[in-house]
Amino acid sequence: GENVEQHPSTLSVQEGDSAVIKCTYSDSASNYFPWYKQELGKRPQLIIDIRSNVGEKKDQRIAVTLNKTAKHFSLHITETQPEDSAVYFCAAIIQGAQKLVFGQGTRLTINP
Amino acid sequence: NAGVMQNPRHLVRRRGQEARLRCSPMKGHSHVYWYRQLPEEGLKFMVYLQKENIIDESGMPKERFSAEFPKEGPSILRIQQVVRGDSAAYFCASSPRPGGAGTDTQYFGPGTRLTVL
Repeated sequence: GENVEQHPSTLSVQEGDSAVIKCTYSDSASNYFPWYKQELGKRPQLIIDIRSNVGEKKDQRIAVTLNKTAKHFSLHITETQPEDSAVYFCAAIIQGAQKLVFGQGTRLTINP
Repeated sequence: NAGVMQNPRHLVRRRGQEARLRCSPMKGHSHVYWYRQLPEEGLKFMVYLQKENIIDESGMPKERFSAEFPKEGPSILRIQQVVRGDSAAYFCASSPRPGGAGTDTQYFGPGTRLTVL
């Protein structure tokens, strides 16, 4: 089955700097890659997603890149703000399977 | 995603009791997924249901756990004879009908935090 590895497990950056979180997946049949942000005690919230026919997608300060050959995808957050502090999860779906396979999560802390 | 509703938000049970968790998907969504999140861990898939059908239950323990999504009413995740190891946050997600744009996108509910004493 699909396996998703996420790094780093914790990340601390200065406010205004960029943050990058990386994930690798094992099944080349995976075709959809969402990123979720989860604040303490809250639900996972979809912040951006990318499909396998696209290499990069941007939404304001957030971008995701996908390298299908290497089977890895990354989340980039620029101009970080204190409210970006949260746990971020990457995930993958194998085409036709519908179930999300999540990475282990990255605890991002933005230092003022 | 605020449209996925779960209740109760917090549930306390003693060992051996039953826990019943409810999920109402977003309006127009007929696919429901249940995930479990242990403290300080990621989310693990449990079961995927459509109305009156279990499509994939590969992540659900074979014993004590069951799920349903009836024609009318919410989806229910039922845990019988709970043990301390069942303590976790249980999240429900929903997605649109097949064939439409963005059918893979799953939107999560606020979760039910189960504590087994």
